[in-house]
Amino acid sequence: KAGVTQTPRYLIKTRGQQVTLSCSPISGHRSVSWYQQTPGQGLQFLFEYFSETQRNKGNFPGRFSGRQFSNSRSEMNVSTLELGDSALYLCASSFTGHSYTFGSGTRLTVV
Amino acid sequence: EDQVTQSPEALRLQEGESSSLNCSYTVSGLRGLFWYRQDPGKGPEFLFTLYSAGEEKEKERLKATLTKKESFLHITAPKPEDSATYLCAVQALEETSGSRLTFGEGTQLTVNP
Repeated sequence: KAGVTQTPRYLIKTRGQQVTLSCSPISGHRSVSWYQQTPGQGLQFLFEYFSETQRNKGNFPGRFSGRQFSNSRSEMNVSTLELGDSALYLCASSFTGHSYTFGSGTRLTVV
Repeated sequence: EDQVTQSPEALRLQEGESSSLNCSYTVSGLRGLFWYRQDPGKGPEFLFTLYSAGEEKEKERLKATLTKKESFLHITAPKPEDSATYLCAVQALEETSGSRLTFGEGTQLTVNP
């Protein structure tokens, strides 16, 4: 069965721009979570969506936002990019909440 | 605030040399403790979920155990393909209406042939 698909795999953006990342969960999984991974901070929780509703949110500024569609696909958006937003952005989907399957991530570089 | 501390930060083993990785955690109430493996350039790969003290789970050369304050990932007779970063994460009981995993920084394991 297909895993969690994240697109694009790599992105290079300029400071001040905005970016949209996409995540397609495993078929049947309605929960989608987003994480930011950096060498200094490790994996940090951004937010979680379930049935098109944001269920939980981490401690990130309002420039980070997301949404989920009726087919459970999710997007996250970062506006007014800063150099510190350079990171690997990971998406995870879950059916039961007892295990979370991660995608390969989107590597965002802000220059 | 939930906290997870993993040790050591890095570990080098010879093939066949067994060892353990440690994950110490602080959480108001534990809903689940997760172990993941992450290879360079890839997302974390799920290994185990543990729910209560005394629980153990095994998969091939890996065995995870849980106490009220820490979890251990025991690696028996490791092979070079076990080289990866191993991540530990906790989910708090209060997160009953959603999921938030709090991760440790990971242990980078290298197994030399």
